[in-house]
Amino acid sequence: NAGVTQTPKFQVLKTGQSMTLQCAQDMNHNSMYWYRQDPGMGLRLIYYSASEGTTDKGEVPNGYNVSRLNKREFSLRLESAAPSQTSVYFCASSRLAGRSSYNEQFFGPGTRLTVL
Amino acid sequence: RKEVEQDPGPFNVPEGATVAFNCTYSNSASQSFFWYRQDCRKEPKLLMSVYSSGNEDGRFTAQLNRASQYISLLIRDSKLSDSATYLCVVNQAGTALIFGKGTTLSVSS
Repeated sequence: NAGVTQTPKFQVLKTGQSMTLQCAQDMNHNSMYWYRQDPGMGLRLIYYSASEGTTDKGEVPNGYNVSRLNKREFSLRLESAAPSQTSVYFCASSRLAGRSSYNEQFFGPGTRLTVL
Repeated sequence: RKEVEQDPGPFNVPEGATVAFNCTYSNSASQSFFWYRQDCRKEPKLLMSVYSSGNEDGRFTAQLNRASQYISLLIRDSKLSDSATYLCVVNQAGTALIFGKGTTLSVSS
């Protein structure tokens, strides 16, 4: 099993450009998440999908959209990139949301995004 | 007050030392607790869950004090490979995990 995969690994954008970060998991997990990690800020939740067909905002959703394409895939879109969106983006999945026994999150390797 | 607070460190210790990290959380409704480990430029990975009665996994011991809203991680006999950032994580009612900013440990020979 590959676990959680993310593409691309690195990306440089100019201000105003758009792009989609892809995430897929092969663990048959119900819940998927997008985080950003900035120096001194820790991991912050952007959006999550508790189950296929649902998405909800996290702590920092502005400037982002998400799509839960199917049970395996959860994409994050930046419609008009800004320098403030320079960050490392992690996708994660868990078997179930909201139940402590099953709430271990497995993370992808991350996408390092720079917006100039 | 931040939801999950940790001393950022860095903690610089020699091999074989015992080191303890502390974490406090603000929401008394928090239901479950974890320690994650993150190596430099890598993704976070679950180190251990934290149970009310305390739990141990090899050289690692986790404690929870619900009354004081305090979590700890003790590492005994530190190894060079323990060098990493340790993230305190709290699960509140609902779906979100709340991550602390992490405590950096550097173990030297």
